[in-house]
Amino acid sequence: DIQLTQSPSFLSASVGDRVTITCRASQGISSYLAWYQQKPGKAPNLLIYGASTLQSGVPSRFSGSGSGTEFTLTISSLQPEDFATYYCQQLNSYPRTFGGGTKVEIK
Amino acid sequence: EEQLVESGGGLVQPGGSLRLSCAASGFTFSTYWMSWVRQAPGKGLEWVANIKQDGSEKNYVDSVKGRFTLSRDNARNSLYLQMNSLRAEDTAVYYCARDRSYGFWSGYNYYNNYYIDVWGKGTTVTVSS
Repeated sequence: DIQLTQSPSFLSASVGDRVTITCRASQGISSYLAWYQQKPGKAPNLLIYGASTLQSGVPSRFSGSGSGTEFTLTISSLQPEDFATYYCQQLNSYPRTFGGGTKVEIK
Repeated sequence: EEQLVESGGGLVQPGGSLRLSCAASGFTFSTYWMSWVRQAPGKGLEWVANIKQDGSEKNYVDSVKGRFTLSRDNARNSLYLQMNSLRAEDTAVYYCARDRSYGFWSGYNYYNNYYIDVWGKGTTVTVSS
């Protein structure tokens, strides 16, 4: 199985900060990676697919990059509604594993 | 509006069985792969299984193989997860989700990439004596 390691697992930041979350795959997955945002008690919400394609309706302050084994999710200017937990998922092979999550909290 | 609504969760004893259902609306259910993803209390997301449009192909995470069975009824726009021999570690919120795929060219080769774009609100399964 492909393991995804997210870092950091916890991040404290202020409104307006630039935030970067990393997702590393245990083997190459080309661009078969998606990012999701989840708020407490809610279902996940798709942000990015194909490693870098922004889902329709998602604010442009979110961006994704990377290929192979290393990927990043960047929030260019953190907004109050962005405080949540973020997950990466690989869709290169089965089982379609998720990273452990990165919780973004208010500093 | 594209919507997925799960039902069937509840409290069950270890070794027991439960059948989850997912009702789809607002899109052509029969044209999509569908998935189940679960989340144990206070933990991260875990992909559980998915099923092809016509039900001819199914994939499962190892921890549920032989115990869980995924099926669908396209006439009823419904997805099902039959869960047998339940264990305490199966306790989780179970999300029904829609898979999307898109094709792209890379050089002379054509590939399909995937993602999950619609999620239900989830149904809670608790396995405890």
